[in-house]
Formats: sequence, C-alpha cells, structure tokens
Amino acid sequence: EDQVTQSPEALRLQEGESSSLNCSYTVSGLRGLFWYRQDPGKGPEFLFTLYSAGEEKEKERLKATLTKKESFLHITAPKPEDSATYLCAVQAPPGAGSYQLTFGKGTKLSVIP
Amino acid sequence: ETGVTQTPRHLVMGMTNKKSLKCEQHLGHNAMYWYKQSAKKPLELMFVYNFKEQTENNSVPSRFSPECPNSSHLFLHLHTLQPEDSALYLCASSQGTGGSQPQHFGDGTRLSIL
Repeated sequence: EDQVTQSPEALRLQEGESSSLNCSYTVSGLRGLFWYRQDPGKGPEFLFTLYSAGEEKEKERLKATLTKKESFLHITAPKPEDSATYLCAVQAPPGAGSYQLTFGKGTKLSVIP
Repeated sequence: ETGVTQTPRHLVMGMTNKKSLKCEQHLGHNAMYWYKQSAKKPLELMFVYNFKEQTENNSVPSRFSPECPNSSHLFLHLHTLQPEDSALYLCASSQGTGGSQPQHFGDGTRLSIL
C-alpha cells in the first residue's frame, strides 16, 4: 500500500531560522511528488511538482528536493507569512483507472517574529 | 472569477436534512475531484470525474452522491449524514487524470452535522 509520512508534525521557527520539512514515501512507479501549502480556512495551494530523483525546484524562500525515498522542503530565512501547513502528496499509477494522489498528514509550520 | 470556487463556505445541517455542495472551476480543466479533510488525518479522495464521467469512487457511503453535469461544475449531494461526516470538503480540478498534472483546490465547504 502506498504511504506518505511527513515529519515533523509541527515545527516552530524563529524568523530567519532556516530548516527543512521531510516527506518520506513508499510507492511503486512514482509519477510525481507534489508540495502544497494550506492556510487556515483555505484549500491547499499548489507549490511544486518533482518527477525524478535529483530534481530541485525553488520558489522564493522555498526549495524542494527529491530522492528515491523522500523529499525535503527547505525553508531559507523564513518569515511569519510562511506560517502554514505544508502537505506532500505522491502520484503513482494504480492497477486500473485514473491516477490518484496520496497525501501525508502535513507539517504545521509556525514562524515567530 | 478565476480558480476553483466552492459554495457554500459553511454548512450546518441536521442528520435528516438534504443539502448540496457546489464546485465550479474556471481553469479549463477536464477532471474534477471531491476530497474529505478531517482533523489529524490526510486528505481522503472521495470521487473523481474525467470529462464528466466518474472514474473513481473510493468506497464512499451512498449518503454522498456526486453529480458532474459538465467539466466545469461538480456537485456533492448529501442526505442522512452522520456526525462523523463533519469535515472540510474540498473540490479540486486538474488537466486530465493521467500523467503528473497538479490538482488545484477550492477553499472548501466546512460541514457540521448536528
């Protein structure tokens, strides 16, 4: 069974204190790994798609990387507005039917001024 | 309007009521999804539609009934719900279901069952 595990569950950082969030996965035939940001009372907002090991994507203070078993979301010099829950999801071809996303439980990031 | 719009944003209903959730996407996508998000649990996929045809039904109880009249609109009809159905219901859309197309989400309907 495909599984996605995110760690830590919650992370508190001081403004400017860089850190990383982890997403480990077990899936056969990974088609893509997705990172989303979710603010309270909002739906998930798409950030990145990673397709193969070694790939990296960047957006402002965020950088996502992918290996064969996990992905990291690095946050450099975070600001309070980066506070949100970050979700990871993987897409793998099922035996039949459409391609589904399997989500992790998320990491709740709080950046303290 | 742009993106994925869901209405209503909040809904309180009794266990014997019938209500519907609406989702509309303005992205030109042809696949639409319903997800359930409960506290401390990952997003759970409920239904998938591709070109108006239902392609996935993840063992969802029959008290949830989806409808997709066209590629831009998706409904979730609710009847005789249980307290454990209280959750955030999210709609998403993507450009097809094959390949690695990102899904784009609406802001959800917060459903509370009395």
